[in-house]
Formats: sequence, C-alpha cells, structure tokens
Amino acid sequence: EAQVTQNPRYLITVTGKKLTVTCSQNMNHEYMSWYRQDPGLGLRQIYYSMNVEVTDKGDVPEGYKVSRKEKRNFPLILESPSPNQTSLYFCASSPNRGQGTYEQYFGPGTRLTVT
Amino acid sequence: AQSVTQPDIHITVSEGASLELRCNYSYGATPYLFWYVQSPGQGLQLLLKYFSGDTLVQGIKGFEAEFKRSQSSFNLRKPSVHWSDAAEYFCAVGRAGNFNKFYFGSGTKLNVKP
Repeated sequence: EAQVTQNPRYLITVTGKKLTVTCSQNMNHEYMSWYRQDPGLGLRQIYYSMNVEVTDKGDVPEGYKVSRKEKRNFPLILESPSPNQTSLYFCASSPNRGQGTYEQYFGPGTRLTVT
Repeated sequence: AQSVTQPDIHITVSEGASLELRCNYSYGATPYLFWYVQSPGQGLQLLLKYFSGDTLVQGIKGFEAEFKRSQSSFNLRKPSVHWSDAAEYFCAVGRAGNFNKFYFGSGTKLNVKP
C-alpha cells in the first residue's frame, strides 16, 4: 500500500531533550516536506526536500533540522525542543514536479507536546 | 507575500443542504490551487486541484471548486452534504514555476446537523 508513515504518532517530552520524528514513504517520491499545524493557523511549511541531499527552509524553520540521506526517509530533528514547538506535525511527499504532478500525500501526523 | 484566507472558521449546515466554503488567495504569479480535507485524527486528503484549463474542477466525494481569477478565489462547493462530510477543510496554494513551497489557509471546520 502506497503510504507515508510517521513515528512516533504521539510524543510527550521535556524542554531541551533532543528528539527525532521519522518520516518514510514507499512511493519513490522525490519531494518531501514537513509541516506543523496549529489551531487557527492552518499548516505551515517547516522544511522541504527536492531530492536526496537537497533541502531548503520553508516558512517556519527555526528550531528544526532535517536531513535527506535516502530518498524514502526525511526525519525532522528538534535539537532542543521548547514548549512553543508543541504542535501537530505532518510529513508529506510528492512525485517529481517536472512531471506536472503536485499532489502531496500526507502522513497521519505526530502530536508533539513539549513541557 | 503569499497568503491564503479562509474567512469562515466554523460552518454548520444541515444534512442534504448545499455547501460553499470560501477561499481567497494573494499571489503574484499563476497559482496552483488545492482543497484538502482532514477528518478528525487523520492526515490530509486531496479533494481536488486546479492547475489550468477549465475553471470548474471536479473532485472526489462529489465536491467541486471554481477558480475565479478576477476575484482571487477558489471556493469549494457540494450540492448536498452528507453527515460524513463533517471535517476540517483546507485551501492551499502553490506557485507555478516554484514547485516547492505551499501555503495553506487556516481551515474551515464543517459541522453537519442531522
């Protein structure tokens, strides 16, 4: 089944404790992206990756890191989480834009609470 | 700066009634437009998209949307709402020629009365 998976689905952590949220897709998509969703703000793009070893900032990259060492994986790293990073996080993937397809496939979300 | 506005935070309609969800965008270039639906506890699912051509696009689950360039709008419609349509709906904009950045509206939560 074609899908985007995220782990963990739920995470409660404390301020300053490094964490990683994994994202994996099995559709051989070039493009992957991370979003955070906050009430009243919709989804805001954190980082995106156009292919392996190619990443760039979205609109709200502060406090986050990403890497793309393999095509299927795009982990989101919070080196020193703070309470303002409490949010619902979504990973998405999409085929090569040059093929004229821009539909994003979303993962189920990761609810992160930082105390 | 690019922005997407969904002016209605909550909408309640009766089952069987028609529905229109509003979306306005601010974008300097030719936009690519999307509507996504998010059911409670779920990820986002694409309902429909507009890239070019016919300004009235059909999507899944009986939804349609109309692109009106003069009004910078891309409103979502459904002629008869079902209880299972209760969810949150997001309008999104991508930029033609820059395929990497997307902007989402703040969402409209739809409640369906029996």
